[in-house]
Amino acid sequence: GAGVSQSPRYKVAKRGQDVALRCDPISGHVSLFWYQQALGQGPEFLTYFQNEAQLDKSGLPSDRFFAERPEGSVSTLKIQRTQQEDSAVYLCASSSRQGAYNEQFFGPGTRLTVL
Amino acid sequence: AQTVTQSQPEMSVQEAETVTLSCTYDTSENNYYLFWYKQPPSRQMILVIRQEAYKQQNATENRFSVNFQKAAKSFSLKISDSQLGDTAMYFCAFMKRSGSNYKLTFGKGTLLTVNP
Repeated sequence: GAGVSQSPRYKVAKRGQDVALRCDPISGHVSLFWYQQALGQGPEFLTYFQNEAQLDKSGLPSDRFFAERPEGSVSTLKIQRTQQEDSAVYLCASSSRQGAYNEQFFGPGTRLTVL
Repeated sequence: AQTVTQSQPEMSVQEAETVTLSCTYDTSENNYYLFWYKQPPSRQMILVIRQEAYKQQNATENRFSVNFQKAAKSFSLKISDSQLGDTAMYFCAFMKRSGSNYKLTFGKGTLLTVNP
């Protein structure tokens, strides 16, 4: 079956523009995670959804970052008034159950460059 | 809060040889999971191996094995018979076993190059 997909794969934005990054998780996966990976660093947690409920958004770096998953499947990460420090790869991951351990499957990421 | 430290930014190994990547972590949790992820140049993160902290036996997956030292909070990855396809960034990661958010905390990664 299809894995986690993300679009666009690459996004260039001028400082101050708004961007929207999309994640299509594996069908039926309950849990969805967003991570931010700066150049040369490991991914850092941004936010977590269980179905449509956003249970943890403690990693979002500012109120310019907003994520949603209205129907419990596709998720969108929106960044308003982008800044240069937002340049990073944004990774989405999904897993099949809400409780206990389940492997997180990662998408290919969206590379955001803010000029 | 948990922290994961990978002290080797880059390593290289000859094809068919063995290499060990280091990872240490800090946590006050008693129940948790540890992982090694591989991120090839295409950037899709792939799970290599998983260790449950309550299990004393070290995990193995074919050519990949770990040395888990819970008291020392150390979790190294050994790759035997290295292959060119093993060239990638390797990330050590931590996950709490309790609670409702199974987020991963990653180290900064080790870039492994396998030379022919």
